Amino acid sequence: AQKITQTQPGMFVQEKEAVTLDCTYDTSDQSYGLFWYKQPSSGEMIFLIYQGSYDEQNATEGRYSLNFQKARKSANLVISASQLGDSAMYFCAMREVSQAGTALIFGKGTTLSVSS
Amino acid sequence: DVKVTQSSRYLVKRTGEKVFLECVQDMDHENMFWYRQDPGLGLRLIYFSYDVKMKEKGDIPEGYSVSREKKERFSLILESASTNQTSMYLCASSSLGLAGAAETQYFGPGTRLLVL
Repeated sequence: AQKITQTQPGMFVQEKEAVTLDCTYDTSDQSYGLFWYKQPSSGEMIFLIYQGSYDEQNATEGRYSLNFQKARKSANLVISASQLGDSAMYFCAMREVSQAGTALIFGKGTTLSVSS
Repeated sequence: DVKVTQSSRYLVKRTGEKVFLECVQDMDHENMFWYRQDPGLGLRLIYFSYDVKMKEKGDIPEGYSVSREKKERFSLILESASTNQTSMYLCASSSLGLAGAAETQYFGPGTRLLVL
């Protein structure tokens, strides 16, 4: 079974609008971390935001916020006031803390296209 | 600023050649990772290392080996390149993290490898 599911292969939004990118995860660990990365066409993976499983507040970083619903096992990324430069692939990822030294588990990504 | 560099952005090799992909980080991170990224498959872990001279297999280690002789450098080796190893290769590093904390991974710019 997939551990990270991103159900939206592509999303389209106009400049200045907000957009939500969906992510659901599956883990039996109590302690884990959730990450969002942005990958522009240049290829580099850029870290955007992190949410720990014990964090009570939703994480925010500038125009990015993470809508964390633990009971539903969802960690959606919200981008407010979209910009043309936000057009990229976005990946949700999880690290299970009990798995010491292991890598991130990534979803398959969502392509976001922002138009003027 | 966090910095992970990879030796080449683009590489073209012939089937059967031995290929070295180098990754260097300047953040004194303990953990280093090699992923490959393919359309529709997301990122998959090849190998990771949590200390000098230590390595662990990831999800798809076949056909690859790694070397970590110094803390800042993690090399991925394709012993005999094959066409099915044509892919985007991404290196990442992260700190050890406090117990219970999922440390953020920082990525290099990626190497697009084409094996003919």
